[in-house]
Amino acid sequence: DIQLTQSPSFLSASAGDRVTITCRASQDISSYLAWYQQKPGKAPNLLIYAASTLQSGVPSRFSGSGSGTEFTLTISSLQPEDFATYYCQQLNSFPRTFGQGTKVEIK
Amino acid sequence: EVQLVESGGGLVQRGGSLRLSCAASGFTFSSYAMRWVRQAPGKGLEWVSGISGSGATTNYADSVKGRFTISRDNSRTTLYLQMNSLRDDDTAVYYCAKKMDSGNYPIDYWGQGTLVTVSS
Repeated sequence: DIQLTQSPSFLSASAGDRVTITCRASQDISSYLAWYQQKPGKAPNLLIYAASTLQSGVPSRFSGSGSGTEFTLTISSLQPEDFATYYCQQLNSFPRTFGQGTKVEIK
Repeated sequence: EVQLVESGGGLVQRGGSLRLSCAASGFTFSSYAMRWVRQAPGKGLEWVSGISGSGATTNYADSVKGRFTISRDNSRTTLYLQMNSLRDDDTAVYYCAKKMDSGNYPIDYWGQGTLVTVSS
């Protein structure tokens, strides 16, 4: 199975900060990577797929990049509603594994 | 509007069985692959199983292979997860989810989840 490792696991930041989360895959997954946001008690919400394609309705302050084994999710200017947990997921092979998550909290 | 409504969760004894259902509406159900994803209390997301639109192809996480069976009834637009030989570490919220499109695409819609608690 492909392992995904996110860093950091926990991030403390202020509104307005630029935030970057990294997801590393244990083998080449081309651009088959998605990012989700999850708030407490809610189902995840798709942000980005194909490594860099913004899902419809998602604010443009979210962006994704990378290919192969290293990927990043960037929030250009953190907003109060962005404090949540973020997960990457590989879509290259089954099982479609997730990273362990990155919790973004208010500093 | 896409809606996915899970049911069937609850308290079950270790070694027992449970069947989850997911009623889908708002899209052409038979045209989309579907997934089950779970989340143990306070933990991250775990992909559990997937099934193609026709139901002909299924996939499982190693942790559930041989114990869980995914299926679908396209005439009833309903997805199922039969869970047997349940273990303590199967305790989780189980989400039903719709895949965006054919190919290497992500989940674009999720249900609200149903809680399964395995207890001795």
